[in-house]
Amino acid sequence: GQNIDQPTEMTATEGAIVQINCTYQTSGFNGLFWYQQHAGEAPTFLSYNVLDGLEEKGRFSSFLSRSKGYSYLLLKELQMKDSASYLCAVRDSNYQLIWGAGTKLIIKP
Amino acid sequence: TAGITQAPTSQILAAGRSMTLRCTQDMRHNAMYWYRQDLGLGLRLIHYSNTAGTTGKGEVPDGYSVSRANTDDFPLTLASAVPSQTSVYFCASSDTGEHTEAFFGQGTRLTVV
Repeated sequence: GQNIDQPTEMTATEGAIVQINCTYQTSGFNGLFWYQQHAGEAPTFLSYNVLDGLEEKGRFSSFLSRSKGYSYLLLKELQMKDSASYLCAVRDSNYQLIWGAGTKLIIKP
Repeated sequence: TAGITQAPTSQILAAGRSMTLRCTQDMRHNAMYWYRQDLGLGLRLIHYSNTAGTTGKGEVPDGYSVSRANTDDFPLTLASAVPSQTSVYFCASSDTGEHTEAFFGQGTRLTVV
């Protein structure tokens, strides 16, 4: 079956750096997405990786290793507003998105 | 630009009743999706449509039906609601192509009692 694994919850300190990992086993691979979801709101797009390596976008970076079925989202200079759930999703061979359960990130002052 | 709009925002529904959740997008996206999101589980695909006039079943289609009469609208119908359909429902749309992210509506919180 298809599976996306992420930690359920992480805690970090304001101003620090946090890395959220995602491992996947899917039928084919056509890209990996990271979304941010604040409580009670809709998911919003953060990043997309289809080739191995690091994609940087401001304070957020996303890394992909297709051979290891692994990605991480790196958040730098954490702010209180970064408290949210972070969802990892993989697009499979049928171009359908398979979603992880999300990682709830708690930022402490 | 409104993007993607869902209605209603929330609803309490008696078991056995039918209901249609509405979804409209103004981005002219070909693909549209209905997901449910439950605590501790990832977003699960209910039904999808790759283009107007076509629909497909997702991971959890039982008890739900959809139609796609035009590009903009993608309603989700529960014919006879059951308590296990209590969830938050998200409609999403995307363009077709390689690097195309999905855009989500604000969600419908449905409670079946």
